[in-house]
Amino acid sequence: AQKVTQAQTEISVVEKEDVTLDCVYETRDTTYYLFWYKQPPSGELVFLIRRNSFDEQNEISGRYSWNFQKSTSSFNFTITASQVVDSAVYFCALSHQGGSEKLVFGKGTKLTVNP
Amino acid sequence: KAGVTQTPRYLIKTRGQQVTLSCSPISGHRSVSWYQQTPGQGLQFLFEYFSETQRNKGNFPGRFSGRQFSNSRSEMNVSTLELGDSALYLCASSAGTSGTETQYFGPGTRLLVL
Repeated sequence: AQKVTQAQTEISVVEKEDVTLDCVYETRDTTYYLFWYKQPPSGELVFLIRRNSFDEQNEISGRYSWNFQKSTSSFNFTITASQVVDSAVYFCALSHQGGSEKLVFGKGTKLTVNP
Repeated sequence: KAGVTQTPRYLIKTRGQQVTLSCSPISGHRSVSWYQQTPGQGLQFLFEYFSETQRNKGNFPGRFSGRQFSNSRSEMNVSTLELGDSALYLCASSAGTSGTETQYFGPGTRLLVL
């Protein structure tokens, strides 16, 4: 069975602080895909990044960076110099290669960036 | 390209009624998935349709059903509504050809069952 755990329920930071959101996953598949989505108060899930299990290269995109470590089954997300607009709920998700697009989501981490 | 659209955005129903939600995927996308989001259970997969066929189904009762049309638009139906069906229903679309594509989500339909 697949499972995604986001242990941090809520995080509150002050603007310009760096913040890391943790994600730990469980799967028996050798090929799988990991995702991060952002959900602002409006409700729509916004895609941020996708990573496949064969690519452990860390990625940086502007103020966002992702650290994928298969050895610890973790896919953590860091926001550098946070801004108020980063306030949202962030979800980590997992899918496997098997002919279906089903995503298994973590419970999400609510990030509040205070001015 | 236009994003995923869902109608209606808000809905209020009473117990026992039925409801139909609609989803129009991104142009060219053939896979449509539905998710239910509640404060208690989080985001849960309902089902996925690809080329008018249900390709996968989550662990929900038979009151939840869906279908997909030849233009890839999808509808989901919930019959005999219960209070616990109050949720945000999210639709996502993807190219769907490999079963490993990125899903893009619509704004959701907020259903309140009274």
